[in-house]
Amino acid sequence: QKEVEQNSGPLSVPEGAIASLNCTYSDRGSQSFFWYRQYSGKSPELIMSIYSNGDKEDGRFTAQLNKASQYVSLLIRDSQPSDSATYLCAVIRRGGADGLTFGKGTHLIIQP
Amino acid sequence: DVKVTQSSRYLVKRTGEKVFLECVQDMDHENMFWYRQDPGLGLRLIYFSYDVKMKEKGDIPEGYSVSREKKERFSLILESASTNQTSMYLCASSDRGQPQHFGDGTRLSIL
Repeated sequence: QKEVEQNSGPLSVPEGAIASLNCTYSDRGSQSFFWYRQYSGKSPELIMSIYSNGDKEDGRFTAQLNKASQYVSLLIRDSQPSDSATYLCAVIRRGGADGLTFGKGTHLIIQP
Repeated sequence: DVKVTQSSRYLVKRTGEKVFLECVQDMDHENMFWYRQDPGLGLRLIYFSYDVKMKEKGDIPEGYSVSREKKERFSLILESASTNQTSMYLCASSDRGQPQHFGDGTRLSIL
């Protein structure tokens, strides 16, 4: 079983709509969850972090965590063409110093 | 803002060469990491370090070694470069349990 799974897409969303990105993880001991955005040819950029069950909102972005279902999601409201990128879900499998385990990313396309 | 600086954006080397990739962070972070990113395989952890002179293997350490002599600097070494090590290499740093911040990456080609 893959440790962090994402639908690779592409996910096509009209401009102004809500984009919904999903991620599941296999290690129940995971405690820290992150969403990164990566534009083509660039390095990943942190956009959201979430550590406890529920929703966390930051501007147009909302991260949702459900540890019982081992599920993390990212909602992007009022999607803009500049949101077109690959979104990487990442998990710290054990506490502290371990590196992130990444999903392979979802390619999001916002259609003007 | 956190600044993670990788020494080269693009690098071309030949098979069998010893290759050094350098990474420096300016936020006094405890942890530093090296990843490689390949199409279809995503980001994979090679090595990480949680203190000076300490290192831990990640998911794909074979063919690589690392050095951390100073807190701010973490080096990735390809002892004898091979063509299957052609990839994008990304360095990151963080404090314990906190998000990681990435450098701009080094696109390495081994001919």
